[in-house]
Amino acid sequence: DVKVTQSSRYLVKRTGEKVFLECVQDMDHENMFWYRQDPGLGLRLIYFSYDVKMKEKGDIPEGYSVSREKKERFSLILESASTNQTSMYLCASTPTTTNTEAFFGQGTRLTVV
Amino acid sequence: GQNIDQPTEMTATEGAIVQINCTYQTSGFNGLFWYQQHAGEAPTFLSYNVLDGLEEKGRFSSFLSRSKGYSYLLLKELQMKDSASYLCAPGGSGAGSYQLTFGKGTKLSVIP
Repeated sequence: DVKVTQSSRYLVKRTGEKVFLECVQDMDHENMFWYRQDPGLGLRLIYFSYDVKMKEKGDIPEGYSVSREKKERFSLILESASTNQTSMYLCASTPTTTNTEAFFGQGTRLTVV
Repeated sequence: GQNIDQPTEMTATEGAIVQINCTYQTSGFNGLFWYQQHAGEAPTFLSYNVLDGLEEKGRFSSFLSRSKGYSYLLLKELQMKDSASYLCAPGGSGAGSYQLTFGKGTKLSVIP
């Protein structure tokens, strides 16, 4: 059974903290994605990676960075968390073959107080 | 970049048919996906179209017109469990990478 696993389901952090959201996939997929989802705004792409150590900005990269040191792991980093980063964060992965669907993690609901 | 447009909300009756439309403008088009997302859960794959025409899969069908930048998802014999958000996602490419972006989603409410 294919799996994308996010490290936490719920997370509460304080303003100014450095926050790491981890995502691991066991399908040997080349592409990995980080999205945030907010009511009325849908899923918005933050960053994606198509290979180890490669990354590309999505639509809303400001305030975030990413790390892909190993193929199976894609980390999202909030350098200094702010309240407007309170959101649901979803990780997804796909293989290089472009006609294959994305597999999502269960999501991390992050609250910044 | 990508510009994806779909209705925000729709309501339909149990047993009926509903069509959810999606228009898009994207570079490097590589096919279009539809996903279903129940409240509080992650999106799950429904369908994929890369060629023009209709793809049927049980109660769900999806249509694509590449020249018009248009797709729709057709749900037949609606059931209460079909109440969910439906996300249109054109796949694109650039700089050797594959990018997947989503529309804001259409929240479908199925009523008795």
